[in-house]
Amino acid sequence: NAGVTQTPKFQVLKTGQSMTLQCAQDMNHEYMSWYRQDPGMGLRLIHYSVGAGITDQGEVPNGYNVSRSTTEDFPLRLLSAAPSQTSVYFCASRQGSTGELFFGEGSRLTVL
Amino acid sequence: AQSVAQPEDQVNVAEGNPLTVKCTYSVSGNPYLFWYVQYPNRGLQFLLKYITGDNLVKGSYGFEAEFNKSQTSFHLKKPSALVSDSALYFCAVRDLPGGSYIPTFGRGTSLIVHP
Repeated sequence: NAGVTQTPKFQVLKTGQSMTLQCAQDMNHEYMSWYRQDPGMGLRLIHYSVGAGITDQGEVPNGYNVSRSTTEDFPLRLLSAAPSQTSVYFCASRQGSTGELFFGEGSRLTVL
Repeated sequence: AQSVAQPEDQVNVAEGNPLTVKCTYSVSGNPYLFWYVQYPNRGLQFLLKYITGDNLVKGSYGFEAEFNKSQTSFHLKKPSALVSDSALYFCAVRDLPGGSYIPTFGRGTSLIVHP
């Protein structure tokens, strides 16, 4: 059982480039979310989804897009990368309303 | 509205001594409370949760947490710390029923266990 899988693990971009961080889970979880983690800032929610076809904004959505065409996948898109988006990104999923979150191993993004 | 506070950025403890990592919360209704641990360069891992029932919750790796409604606290504890417990610990809360679908995380507490 793979759990939550994120790719790539590391990425370096130049300002203005675009990319997609991939997230896939094999636990049939309805809820999926993206966080960014920065030193001293804890975890900040970017976007989340409560099921296929349904997405919503979190605390820091600007500069990021998401879609949820299947239950399994929840990609995060950076349309025009900025140095302020240098961070570690985590995808997490949850089953039901009382369950705990299952996190991926993270994607470390550097924007030059 | 829901919020959570971890008042200590860092906790230092000697191996073999008991450890406590503090968490306080604020909710409108009843809280769902969680503790997660993050080892270096890894994702967060679930340790334990309080939904309802017994105020003392036991979790993974010998950790436990005590729910105290009057003090709105959910401190993480372990009777005897190990060097391998050194990690970043996050408390999280959800306000239920009928509250937010999204958990609010604390800023994290770095636990350092000295040999």
